[in-house]
Amino acid sequence: EDQVTQSPEALRLQEGESSSLNCSYTVSGLRGLFWYRQDPGKGPEFLFTLYSAGEEKEKERLKATLTKKESFLHITAPKPEDSATYLCAVQVRGAQKLVFGQGTRLTINP
Amino acid sequence: GAVVSQHPSWVICKSGTSVKIECRSLDFQATTMFWYRQFPKQSLMLMATSNEGSKATYEQGVEKDKFLINHASLTLSTLTVTSAHPEDSSFYICSFISGGNHNEQFFGPGTRLTVL
Repeated sequence: EDQVTQSPEALRLQEGESSSLNCSYTVSGLRGLFWYRQDPGKGPEFLFTLYSAGEEKEKERLKATLTKKESFLHITAPKPEDSATYLCAVQVRGAQKLVFGQGTRLTINP
Repeated sequence: GAVVSQHPSWVICKSGTSVKIECRSLDFQATTMFWYRQFPKQSLMLMATSNEGSKATYEQGVEKDKFLINHASLTLSTLTVTSAHPEDSSFYICSFISGGNHNEQFFGPGTRLTVL
């Protein structure tokens, strides 16, 4: 069964304190791994797609990396506005739907 | 990224009534759209996949007669919750796949349904 596990469930950081969120996955064949940001009461906002091990993508203070078993979302010098739930999802080869992890609730204190 | 709208953004209804939620892609024609449900502090659960012009494919455990999906055009999909009950109260989110080789999925802002 295809599975996605995110850790930690929740993370509190001080402004400027860099850290990483983890997404471990077990799939029959990976087509793509997606990262989304979700604010309370809103739909997920697309951040990155990664397709192959070794791939990295960056956007402002965020950088996503991918290995054959997991992905990391690195956040550098975060600001309070980076507070949100970060969702990881995988798309299995031959399918269109996404399988989501439970998310990591990130809080950045000023 | 692509723009997706949902209407209404929130709705309150009485138990036993039906509610229709619209999902529109504003700048892209989508052959495939998805409907998700999200309970408080939980992740997104896929309900069904909707292909334009054909019947939706429902995930295991989702009642197709209760959650009616219509994907009548490349820019509009609707979800109707029939005979709603309090346990149907949730956050409903639609999404669609962008074109090309990237296969990225973009989400609407969600609809909060509360059934009294």
